[in-house]
Amino acid sequence: SQQGEEDPQALSIQEGENATMNCSYKTSINNLQWYRQNSGRGLVHLILIRSNEREKHSGRLRVTLDTSKKSSSLLITASRAADTASYFCATEQGAQKLVFGQGTRLTINP
Amino acid sequence: DSGVTQTPKHLITATGQRVTLRCSPRSGDLSVYWYQQSLDQGLQFLIQYYNGEERAKGNILERFSAQQFPDLHSELNLSSLELGDSALYFCASSPRGREGYGYTFGSGTRLTVV
Repeated sequence: SQQGEEDPQALSIQEGENATMNCSYKTSINNLQWYRQNSGRGLVHLILIRSNEREKHSGRLRVTLDTSKKSSSLLITASRAADTASYFCATEQGAQKLVFGQGTRLTINP
Repeated sequence: DSGVTQTPKHLITATGQRVTLRCSPRSGDLSVYWYQQSLDQGLQFLIQYYNGEERAKGNILERFSAQQFPDLHSELNLSSLELGDSALYFCASSPRGREGYGYTFGSGTRLTVV
């Protein structure tokens, strides 16, 4: 079963605009991670936010975590064509295994 | 190159057959995880090994088995294959004992059962 639910399932924006993806989960977590997957390729780790953190930045990425609402968001600023990919949130619970959501398919139009 | 090596990249086989997928984790990583990705099920966790021992089991069918060897490489064995087993199979590794670090994924093995 999936722990995280991403929203929206698909997002299409113009290059240069910001993209926001949301993730909701159901149980207590140690941390929440975001991954990117280009079509048919392996997943690439983007950023990790621990349960006691509320916001984290990495380059053009900004992640927030609200444990009271069991939700997280990923913001990609100043999007580029190369950002076109699927984005997954994943939650790490007690046993150090990641449970992934279904992903958001992001398309950046030139 | 992520540092996690998976072979083969592509595999086409017939129903009822058995295949072995291989994974070499990133240097220094002791944990290996196997995931199955299909269009209808998404990314499903199958099994985790840490330093040769099974640590966690997910949605792994009885027809599937895995092991991690002393040199830390891992193999996923899929037997009595069915059409529905067609999927991308990913291996990932992480430095166990240092919780809260991201996984490093390999590029996957695309299995097609015909």
